[in-house]
Amino acid sequence: AQTVTQSQPEMSVQEAETVTLSCTYDTSESDYYLFWYKQPPSRQMILVIRQEAYKQQNATENRFSVNFQKAAKSFSLKISDSQLGDAAMYFCAYRTNFGNEKLTFGTGTRLTIIP
Amino acid sequence: NAGVMQNPRHLVRRRGQEARLRCSPMKGHSHVYWYRQLPEEGLKFMVYLQKENIIDESGMPKERFSAEFPKEGPSILRIQQVVRGDSAAYFCASSPNRGRGTEAFFGQGTRLTVV
Repeated sequence: AQTVTQSQPEMSVQEAETVTLSCTYDTSESDYYLFWYKQPPSRQMILVIRQEAYKQQNATENRFSVNFQKAAKSFSLKISDSQLGDAAMYFCAYRTNFGNEKLTFGTGTRLTIIP
Repeated sequence: NAGVMQNPRHLVRRRGQEARLRCSPMKGHSHVYWYRQLPEEGLKFMVYLQKENIIDESGMPKERFSAEFPKEGPSILRIQQVVRGDSAAYFCASSPNRGRGTEAFFGQGTRLTVV
């Protein structure tokens, strides 16, 4: 079974600075997706960024980018120019491309932005 | 196009009562996933349904929990004889189909409190 580990329960960053959230996963598959979701206090799960395992190029969405290291099974999220609205829980998630497309989530990292 | 709608947003039940949680997927979506989020934890997969079919219920507790997605109407997650340990946020996600690149969209969740 796949597992996703987020080893940082909490992180904080000064507004306008850069922060990196860590995620590692375990799988025996070679074809899968990885995701970062943001959950603000409203509880809405918002997709931030996703990465296909067979693509070597790291995904980027505006201020959000990932460092995908397939051999190391590592998938970190970098947030540049942090803004107050970035404060939220961030969840890393895994999804196989075979069969059922359920998501396996990590336990989350609570990000605080310091004004 | 309205997003995934879950209702109610908050539900309070006494121990032993039944809880019914509803999820209306996005228009055109025929795949529904239910997840449970315990306090301070990530989301855990419960069940995956297509119209009138349960595809994967490997995450469902063996007793008291059931789910359906009828041909007409919303998907229902039903919890019979609720206990305090059922208190959690329950999220529904929907997708239009399966396959590479498919994205699931989440509702805002139902917070169930058992008193």
